[in-house]
Amino acid sequence: QSALTQPASVSGSPGQSITISCTGASSDIGSHDLVSWYQQYPGQTPKLIIYEAFKRPSGVSNRFSGSKSGNTASLTISGLQADDEADYYCCSLINRDWVFGGGTMLTVL
Amino acid sequence: QVQLVQSGTEVKKPGASVKVSCKASGYTFIDNVIHWVRQAPGRGLEWMGWIDPKRGVTFHAEKFQARVAMTGDTSITTTYMELTTLRSDDTAVYHCVREVGHRGQFDYWGQGTLVTVSS
Repeated sequence: QSALTQPASVSGSPGQSITISCTGASSDIGSHDLVSWYQQYPGQTPKLIIYEAFKRPSGVSNRFSGSKSGNTASLTISGLQADDEADYYCCSLINRDWVFGGGTMLTVL
Repeated sequence: QVQLVQSGTEVKKPGASVKVSCKASGYTFIDNVIHWVRQAPGRGLEWMGWIDPKRGVTFHAEKFQARVAMTGDTSITTTYMELTTLRSDDTAVYHCVREVGHRGQFDYWGQGTLVTVSS
């Protein structure tokens, strides 16, 4: 059981937008912007898609965006595409530990 | 280009130890902290700890404190993760990961090393 809570699964149709939440506590997500998001296809290594809550690495599609409100960080994927179907993990600093959320499986219908 | 190349698959018996290596190239080795993250079959990502190759300083998740050692050899730009007293629930793919800027930006991942613990 991770200290960062993500929905187990979300789904959406091509072209739609979806949002994946990552809920922590006032002492972690609520107090800093050290949240990153990773996309992982089955059998592959994770890929960084958002860091410091809002920033996007070069080369990552601008369809991916990060936000934060209170103790919850969110990843939004707009213009959903078939190849967005993957697992998504948030990660944040809790005390001195880096902690991953439990992961969210995105299904593109 | 940045690369992290890990050692190959390991099969160990319960109670044994395993040492996984991670060879870095394409950047200045001492400029970045290396983390270790594992993923059990069908499960999520689990952070284990980090090593600062420049200072030789390490920090581990409390869960692994007594069983893990992370070391580095700057002469060959390689870091190592050794896990002792292996149990069946240590069966996982172990990744080394480069961090940028000490702010949780894990930008490059090693290909992963499968460690299977079985009697």
